[in-house]
Amino acid sequence: LAKTTQPISMDSYEGQEVNITCSHNNIATNDYITWYQQFPSQGPRFIIQGYKTKVTNEVASLFIPADRKSSTLSLPRVSLSDTAVYYCLVGDLTGTASKLTFGTGTRLQVTL
Amino acid sequence: DAGVIQSPRHEVTEMGQEVTLRCKPISGHDYLFWYRQTMMRGLELLIYFNNNVPIDDSGMPEDRFSAKMPNASFSTLKIQPSEPRDSAVYFCASSSIADKYEQYFGPGTRLTVT
Repeated sequence: LAKTTQPISMDSYEGQEVNITCSHNNIATNDYITWYQQFPSQGPRFIIQGYKTKVTNEVASLFIPADRKSSTLSLPRVSLSDTAVYYCLVGDLTGTASKLTFGTGTRLQVTL
Repeated sequence: DAGVIQSPRHEVTEMGQEVTLRCKPISGHDYLFWYRQTMMRGLELLIYFNNNVPIDDSGMPEDRFSAKMPNASFSTLKIQPSEPRDSAVYFCASSSIADKYEQYFGPGTRLTVT
């Protein structure tokens, strides 16, 4: 079971780059890494996913080192509206023993 | 598409009562997930289905919890009998076979058991 660990909270100023790291030392071979954003009273929203190396989309980048024991979500230039809780999700959907496991979440606070 | 639909949005019930939560996934999605979120335990996967078949129910807390997916457009999560410790927000999510890790979450059902 891939246990995940994230910082509880982070603070940033608007316009800065924010990097949030998730530790998943027991990640299995078939496991994927996915990041979600959650606002109060809403369900989580998909941001990005990856298996290894670097993935980039229009809102974020995901860096995964060769050993895959951690991953870093990078938000390039945050704004006030990026204030939310960010979760990493590790696991696979091939029906093997590896179960989808959410991290504890990182509460990001963006200020002016 | 309207997204994942959950009902009810809020449910307050007394201990010992049966509770049924409902979910309508996005049309065409093959995977359906049920999660529970609490302050103490965070987000927990309870069970997920692929093509209406339960694949992993190892997260279901105990026999009081059961989930069904009779067809591709409907799923239920039932708690019988309910207990105060079941109070939480229950989320349903769905994803497609092509992007199975990109889950779309519903708005959740906030359950309070008194």
